[in-house]
Amino acid sequence: KAGVTQTPRYLIKTRGQQVTLSCSPISGHRSVSWYQQTPGQGLQFLFEYFSETQRNKGNFPGRFSGRQFSNSRSEMNVSTLELGDSALYLCASSLTGTGRTNTQYFGPGTRLTVL
Amino acid sequence: GQNIDQPTEMTATEGAIVQINCTYQTSGFNGLFWYQQHAGEAPTFLSYNVLDGLEEKGRFSSFLSRSKGYSYLLLKELQMKDSASYLCAVRDSNYQLIWGAGTKLIIKP
Repeated sequence: KAGVTQTPRYLIKTRGQQVTLSCSPISGHRSVSWYQQTPGQGLQFLFEYFSETQRNKGNFPGRFSGRQFSNSRSEMNVSTLELGDSALYLCASSLTGTGRTNTQYFGPGTRLTVL
Repeated sequence: GQNIDQPTEMTATEGAIVQINCTYQTSGFNGLFWYQQHAGEAPTFLSYNVLDGLEEKGRFSSFLSRSKGYSYLLLKELQMKDSASYLCAVRDSNYQLIWGAGTKLIIKP
């Protein structure tokens, strides 16, 4: 079974631009979560989507948004990029439900650099 | 607020045993996860605990005490490839994962 895939793997943008990242979950997984990871900050939760609906949201400004499609693929968008948005953006998918079925499996991430 | 504490960094010797602790304060509890993350790579799932006690999986074991808000990951017969960050995460009452900042484990020959 194919794992979680994320595109693109690397991205360089300049301040003020916007960016869209894509995530394809493991087949059959209906929940997709997005995280931002910077050195020393650990994983910061952005949002979770399940069945095309945002189920949970972290404490990020409105410049960060996302959506999920009927095939469970998800995109996240960051508008008006700032230097501090440079980070590794990770997507994780899970079957959803309780217990072990809700284990999250991560994609390789998209490394975003804002100049 | 919700909080998960782990040591920032630990050092151990190849072949030895190391215990990485995790303490948590969350709104509710629906399971605790341990992940391993090598530098520049995505986290990979190691273990899941929802009941008190020890879960063993090869060289890795994970322990949970819900009454104490405490877990540890035990790594035996350390290998150089075990050098990585180890992340503790707790699923709260809203089924949201709360993540610790991770423990960087350095293995020396």
